[in-house]
Amino acid sequence: TQLLEQSPQFLSIQEGENLTVYCNSSSVFSSLQWYRQEPGEGPVLLVTVVTGGEVKKLKRLTFQFGDARKDSSLHITAAQPGDTGLYLCAGTLSSGSARQLTFGSGTQLTVLP
Amino acid sequence: DAGVIQSPRHEVTEMGQEVTLRCKPISGHDYLFWYRQTMMRGLELLIYFNNNVPIDDSGMPEDRFSAKMPNASFSTLKIQPSEPRDSAVYFCASSFNGPGSPLHFGNGTRLTVT
Repeated sequence: TQLLEQSPQFLSIQEGENLTVYCNSSSVFSSLQWYRQEPGEGPVLLVTVVTGGEVKKLKRLTFQFGDARKDSSLHITAAQPGDTGLYLCAGTLSSGSARQLTFGSGTQLTVLP
Repeated sequence: DAGVIQSPRHEVTEMGQEVTLRCKPISGHDYLFWYRQTMMRGLELLIYFNNNVPIDDSGMPEDRFSAKMPNASFSTLKIQPSEPRDSAVYFCASSFNGPGSPLHFGNGTRLTVT
């Protein structure tokens, strides 16, 4: 069982549509990061959220951290083909652990022109 | 800044052979991480170092895997002997402030063991 569950696993949409992907857990995280990974490359950090209820915007991307710091969402407005990639959330548990950063399994987004 | 550099980009080897993957972290980053990515299991942390010292290797699958960091600018991940189930993309990442801080990933080594 994944500590961080991401949904949907796969998403294919047309250019211009809006979408939301989710990252959920039963555990509380002190912070949560979102990465985007393109084919043949490593994940690249998009944003870090640390405060319950926090909302961050990065151009057409809006990230929200749940009030209880157990979940997060990523909303993309007017998706473009350049948004295609694997979106990964990664959380740092509030309780201390040497293996602190845990990755979800990802949402594979395809934006068709 | 050149980013995290990994080599080789692709490695194809036969079962039983030794494989060595290499990583140069970002200068000034004192944490280095090795991850493995597969379709089935996603990104898994194998081991991480702080100031060249291994801190947590509990993710290393078995004794066939070993990692070293002889200095602040170089790390290796070795598999000996390799098996087909080791086929995956192996990523190295570095960070400035530790396991919970943002990671900078290399572009990975795609390993295929036949």
